[in-house]
Amino acid sequence: KAGVTQTPRYLIKTRGQQVTLSCSPISGHRSVSWYQQTPGQGLQFLFEYFSETQRNKGNFPGRFSGRQFSNSRSEMNVSTLELGDSALYLCASRAGGFSSSEAFFGQGTRLTVV
Amino acid sequence: AQKVTQAQTEISVVEKEDVTLDCVYETRDTTYYLFWYKQPPSGELVFLIRRNSFDEQNEISGRYSWNFQKSTSSFNFTITASQVVDSAVYFCALSEAGNTGGFKTIFGAGTRLFVKA
Repeated sequence: KAGVTQTPRYLIKTRGQQVTLSCSPISGHRSVSWYQQTPGQGLQFLFEYFSETQRNKGNFPGRFSGRQFSNSRSEMNVSTLELGDSALYLCASRAGGFSSSEAFFGQGTRLTVV
Repeated sequence: AQKVTQAQTEISVVEKEDVTLDCVYETRDTTYYLFWYKQPPSGELVFLIRRNSFDEQNEISGRYSWNFQKSTSSFNFTITASQVVDSAVYFCALSEAGNTGGFKTIFGAGTRLFVKA
């Protein structure tokens, strides 16, 4: 069974640009969550999708958005990039859309904003 | 509000030593789940264990053991006879139902464990 796949693995962008990250969950998993990981802030929750609906959102500005497609694949978009957006972005999929479900993580996309 | 505190930023031990990673959480919910994840240098977090708020039974799995104490809001993780391969960042996480359905998972800051040969 293939794991969670995130593309691209590495990305370098310039301030002001926008970026789209992709996440393909484990087959059959309908819940996808996104997290931002930085040395200073640790792992912070961005949003969670289930069956194409965003159910919860973390404390991030509106520049951060996402969506989920009917095949459960998810994309995350960051517009007007700032230097502080440099981070490892992790995607996690869960079989059930419940708080009890363990998460399966991808290897992440490392975004560097210059 | 949810909060997870891992007070130990880094721990360094010599192989074969036992090591305990501390986790203290805050929540107002009566139903919640606690997790431990391991993040090796490759970056991918790996699930280790889950506990629900109604199950305070401690667990041992090989060299790993967990101590959940609701009275002190702690969910500590012990590695017995540590090995170099245990070197990683360990995260404690709290998951509970979200206000708009679904759930929210909050992670602690992580504890970086170095195991020296």
